[in-house]
Amino acid sequence: EAQLEESGGHLVQPGGSQRLSCVASGFNIRNYWMTWVRQAPGKGLEWVANIKGDGSEKYYVDSVKGRFTISRDDGKNSLFLQMYSLRVEDTAIYYCARRQFDWYMGNTFDLWGQGTTVTVSS
Amino acid sequence: DVVLIQTPRSLPVTLGQPASISCRSSESLVDSDGNRYLSWFQQRPGQPPRLLIYKISNRFPGVPDRFSGSGAGTDFTLKISRVEVEDVGVYYCMQGKQHSNSFGQGTKLEIK
Repeated sequence: EAQLEESGGHLVQPGGSQRLSCVASGFNIRNYWMTWVRQAPGKGLEWVANIKGDGSEKYYVDSVKGRFTISRDDGKNSLFLQMYSLRVEDTAIYYCARRQFDWYMGNTFDLWGQGTTVTVSS
Repeated sequence: DVVLIQTPRSLPVTLGQPASISCRSSESLVDSDGNRYLSWFQQRPGQPPRLLIYKISNRFPGVPDRFSGSGAGTDFTLKISRVEVEDVGVYYCMQGKQHSNSFGQGTKLEIK
């Protein structure tokens, strides 16, 4: 069974940094685009970043460009989100998801982890 | 950037009755090759999102057939033929026309 499990979220002060991890099981991430989506407390979903299977393409929402970096380690079958210069408004549950980007499914997210919580506060 | 507007934001429904959620896009989500880039997700309380519908009208495996999607161009609809207790949660549309995905604001479905 394909699964995703995030970790690494915790309390951090504004201006700090944090690295989130997402371990995949049941499938090989090198065959898929992967993505991070976040959800601020009581708010809706916000797409954060996408990375292609070979890591050659990366896309970010404007609010995190220059501060967040998405990456992957195929040997560990893992996805990462390195976050710098964190702001209070980055407080959210961060979900990793598998992106289906092909003729058959279009462009959607078919598998989600349970999420990890990042709190940015002084 | 593509903006998605969902209506209504809150949807009280009687058990067994139908429900309908609208999603309007700021630009067409069908490209020149006919690819269709609109998905629907369900998020139950305390749970991660779950894919319901992809490419406007295709039901994801395991999704009950009471859920259906329709639409074209910039106007899309998610319908639930007969609402059940387990359908309570927030529903989101999402566009995938661009590499920069975006979601609608969400519609909260509750039982009257």
